Amino acid sequence: RKEVEQDPGPFNVPEGATVAFNCTYSNSASQSFFWYRQDCRKEPKLLMSVYSSGNEDGRFTAQLNRASQYISLLIRDSKLSDSATYLCVVSNFGNEKLTFGTGTRLTIIP
Amino acid sequence: DGGITQSPKYLFRKEGQNVTLSCEQNLNHDAMYWYRQDPGQGLRLIYYSQIVNDFQKGDIAEGYSVSREKKESFPLTVTSAQKNPTAFYLCASSIGQGRWNNEQFFGPGTRLTVL
Repeated sequence: RKEVEQDPGPFNVPEGATVAFNCTYSNSASQSFFWYRQDCRKEPKLLMSVYSSGNEDGRFTAQLNRASQYISLLIRDSKLSDSATYLCVVSNFGNEKLTFGTGTRLTIIP
Repeated sequence: DGGITQSPKYLFRKEGQNVTLSCEQNLNHDAMYWYRQDPGQGLRLIYYSQIVNDFQKGDIAEGYSVSREKKESFPLTVTSAQKNPTAFYLCASSIGQGRWNNEQFFGPGTRLTVL
């Protein structure tokens, strides 16, 4: 089993729709969780960290379910500029090593 | 502007040649990392360094070597022993030292093609 698993997609979603991604992780000791965004042929960039209580940043909401060992990302009112690959990332406390999922590809259709 | 730079952006080499990829950061970060990314795969950790003059192997270190003589610099050498070196190489840095928020910042990457 992979340490971090994501549905690779692609997700093709009409502009203005809501889209949700899930990601599961296998190491119950994982403590830090992130969503990164990667545009085609570019470097990954942090979209948001994921906190136990869940967190929201504008149209983006991230949630963590420790019992089921999954994290989610919800994008509301999707924009064309949201088209990218979204990477789920986890790490252990105090361990600078990050484990990346393979990414979920999202395309927003006009 | 603070950030991470990688050079060159594109690199072509003949099979059997060693090649060194540059990574420099001016974020005053202690930790630096090298990843490779292949199509359809996640980032895989090659080497990482938590402090100057110290580094550890990641998950796929075979065929690679690194040095960390300065805090700002973490060059990666792809040796002829690496069996499939063509890939997108990404360098990253983070504050390090066991901080709880270990967000990593990435450079723009180097696309290496071995002919």
